[in-house]
Amino acid sequence: ILNVEQSPQSLHVQEGDSTNFTCSFPSSNFYALHWYRWETAKSPEALFVMTLNGDEKKKGRISATLNTKEGYSYLYIKGSQPEDSATYLCAFKSGNTPLVFGKGTRLSVIA
Amino acid sequence: NAGVMQNPRHLVRRRGQEARLRCSPMKGHSHVYWYRQLPEEGLKFMVYLQKENIIDESGMPKERFSAEFPKEGPSILRIQQVVRGDSAAYFCASSPWTEPYEQYFGPGTRLTVT
Repeated sequence: ILNVEQSPQSLHVQEGDSTNFTCSFPSSNFYALHWYRWETAKSPEALFVMTLNGDEKKKGRISATLNTKEGYSYLYIKGSQPEDSATYLCAFKSGNTPLVFGKGTRLSVIA
Repeated sequence: NAGVMQNPRHLVRRRGQEARLRCSPMKGHSHVYWYRQLPEEGLKFMVYLQKENIIDESGMPKERFSAEFPKEGPSILRIQQVVRGDSAAYFCASSPWTEPYEQYFGPGTRLTVT
């Protein structure tokens, strides 16, 4: 059974703080790593799909890095804003399995 | 460009009834995925379909659950003889046929079994 772990489970930060959280996944048979942003009462929104070791992707104040050899990805948010409050999900895909999701990191940004 | 559509958004069924959940993928997408989110759990994969084909149903319960994606019309997730444990949010996602198969999610159907 593939295991995708996200930490921390939840996080409270002040507006303006930068923050980061981790997704750990199996390092063998890697195909892709997805990050999603999921606001309450909405559907998960795709942030990044990362496929290459050393990949670094950026969208506005959010960026992500990928290390497939050691099996982890970091998501960074620079200068957090209240509208960044959401659950951030990562999902791992190996060569022949469907996406396996972590349980997410719930971020609350306090104004 | 309409996103992934699911209906109904909320569905209440009594134990023993059937539930039918519909998903219309984004325009141009030929792959559909169904996920279930149980209370306090993450998203769990159920089934992956292409038009008229089930590609991977490794996450589907062995009994009472079925899925289809016909040539015309939406994908349907069907749950027969629902039980209270089926109460959950069911999400559908679609992706194009090109790599890396980025998935776009619908708003979900919240099923409550009374």
